[in-house]
Amino acid sequence: QVHLQQWGAGLLKPSETLSLTCGVQKGPFSGYFWSWIRQPPGKGLEWIGEINYSGTTNYNSSLRSRITMSVDTSRNEFSLSLSSVTAADTAVYYCARASSPFDYWGQGILVTVSS
Amino acid sequence: DIQMTQSPSTLSASIGDRVTITCRASQTVSRWLAWYQQKPGTPPKLLIFQASILESGVPSRFSGGGSGTEFTLTITSLQPDDFASYYCQQYNSYPYTFGQGTKVDI
Repeated sequence: QVHLQQWGAGLLKPSETLSLTCGVQKGPFSGYFWSWIRQPPGKGLEWIGEINYSGTTNYNSSLRSRITMSVDTSRNEFSLSLSSVTAADTAVYYCARASSPFDYWGQGILVTVSS
Repeated sequence: DIQMTQSPSTLSASIGDRVTITCRASQTVSRWLAWYQQKPGTPPKLLIFQASILESGVPSRFSGGGSGTEFTLTITSLQPDDFASYYCQQYNSYPYTFGQGTKVDI
């Protein structure tokens, strides 16, 4: 059973950079894309982007200018950086396996942007 | 971007009811459509993919249908565990997009 465990800072100030990492356990890492999805409090889901084991990325154009995703195949981990955050970036951030669709999800991390 | 529109936004139902949620895409997504269930404080759970294929372990009272731009999620005989929010998602083209959600409550 694939397990995704995510971690990172939960409180940021405006203009700082959000950094989250997701570790993949008990399952193959190669052969899949790995996604980040966010959900503002009380609202719907927004796909942020995805990366595969070779580093190929696909980003949501609405966030492209601020996103960087990376992968560490030696640790079966992938990461998200989102620069210049504002209050509008406050959300629960999920990592997920993108086997088209998303079949395994991390537990979610609430990231709050506040001065 | 493909816009996904769900209806209704909220659905009040009782145990044993048959409920249907509709999802419309702004352009065709063929059958590349998934449905998720989400309960408060937890990540979404995949129920159905490719419009009508039930994910392993999902009860057979859930079913999906449709193709192109119109899709449905049906729950026959609603159970207490089914009170949750439901989201459709297209994975036909980037960016992947979700419907705004349907909350099923008592």
